[in-house]
Order: sequence, then structure tokens, then C-alpha cells
Amino acid sequence: QKEVEQDPGPLSVPEGAIVSLNCTYSNSAFQYFMWYRQYSRKGPELLMYTYSSGNKEDGRFTAQVDKSSKYISLFIRDSQPSDSATYLCAMSADSWGKFQFGAGTQVVVTP
Amino acid sequence: NAGVTQTPKFQVLKTGQSMTLQCAQDMNHEYMSWYRQDPGMGLRLIHYSVGAGITDQGEVPNGYNVSRSTTEDFPLRLLSAAPSQTSVYFCASRGLAGGLDTGELFFGEGSRLTVL
Repeated sequence: QKEVEQDPGPLSVPEGAIVSLNCTYSNSAFQYFMWYRQYSRKGPELLMYTYSSGNKEDGRFTAQVDKSSKYISLFIRDSQPSDSATYLCAMSADSWGKFQFGAGTQVVVTP
Repeated sequence: NAGVTQTPKFQVLKTGQSMTLQCAQDMNHEYMSWYRQDPGMGLRLIHYSVGAGITDQGEVPNGYNVSRSTTEDFPLRLLSAAPSQTSVYFCASRGLAGGLDTGELFFGEGSRLTVL
């Protein structure tokens, strides 16, 4: 069983809708959590970075971490066609440790 | 700053051939790493380095060699290519920004390798 599970999608939503993405994990030592966005044929780029449990908001993006349930989420409000990409979650037990990535969820926002 | 630069972008090899994927970063980052990305598998760590002269294995190191002689460069060597090594390879670096660890990995654009 993988340490990090993520539904590969694709997840198709109409423009303006809320996109909801999530990852589950099995290693209770994870405390650093990230979301990366990857456009086709490009390298991933960091969207959100959170430490331990709680919520973090940045513009249209909200990241949530529930360590008791070993579950993290990313919400994208007012989705745009430019949000169409693959979203990868990543997590680690320590800030300089090895990050475990989810398989990525493909999101398609249709105009 | 160019960030993280990978070469070549595309490569086709025959089984048994060897080659080196190059990675260079101009951000003075201590940490550099190599990942491979396969459909349904996400990014898997091959090797990483926390500074010049220091390397360690990741999740899938077999068939790959690395060395770190300078802070800027972190080449990945395929010793004897196999079809199972057909993948997209990403180099990533990480360091301190203004004295703070932002936790961000900076990725290159990727190198697409096909082994026939």
C-alpha cells in the first residue's frame, strides 16, 4: 500500500465551480504538507505549504490538514480554465526529509 | 536566474546503453534531488543530495548513479538502460530564502527518456 493515496481523476468542473481535491496518508509522522500544480509537459510548481494541522488560505486556494484523520484537502474557488492541470500532494515527516508525493489528480475546468 | 535547468529534454536509448542526465541550479541551493514520474505512480525519489560530496538513496535508486562535486550540478547516470527506465525525470532543488526554509522544491522542466 502506498503511503500517500490520491485519486487520479480526471475531475471535470464548469468554470466558476469549486474544485475539491484530497489526499489520504498512512504515516502519522508526516507534518509538512504541500500542494503542487503541474501543467502538461512542465515541472511541478508549489501552490500551498502547511505545517501540522489547520487551514491556510491564499487567494482562491485553501489548504486543509486533518492529522487525526490523516487527510488533506485543497479547494479552488471560482475555478478558471487556467486552473486545468494536475495537482499533486506531497508530505514529509521533517522539513529536510524525503517528500512522498501522491499520484496527482488531473483537473479540467471547462468554459 | 534560470532556476533549475535540465538537459537533454528528450532522449531515446537502446537497451544496455548508458547516459547522463544533467541538472544545474543557480540558486545556491544545498538540497538537490532526482525524481521519476510515471503514469499512476506520481513522483518517486531516485537519489538526493544535501550538499557537495553528500548523496543518498531515495525510493527507487537501482540502476542509477549520482555524484555532487559542486553546489550547482547534480548529474544522474543510467549505467545500463532498461525499458523499465522509460519515464520523465525531474530534477528539483531546495534551499533557504532570506534565511528561512520555505519548504519549496523548485523543479526543472523534465527530461523525457525512452528506452527501446
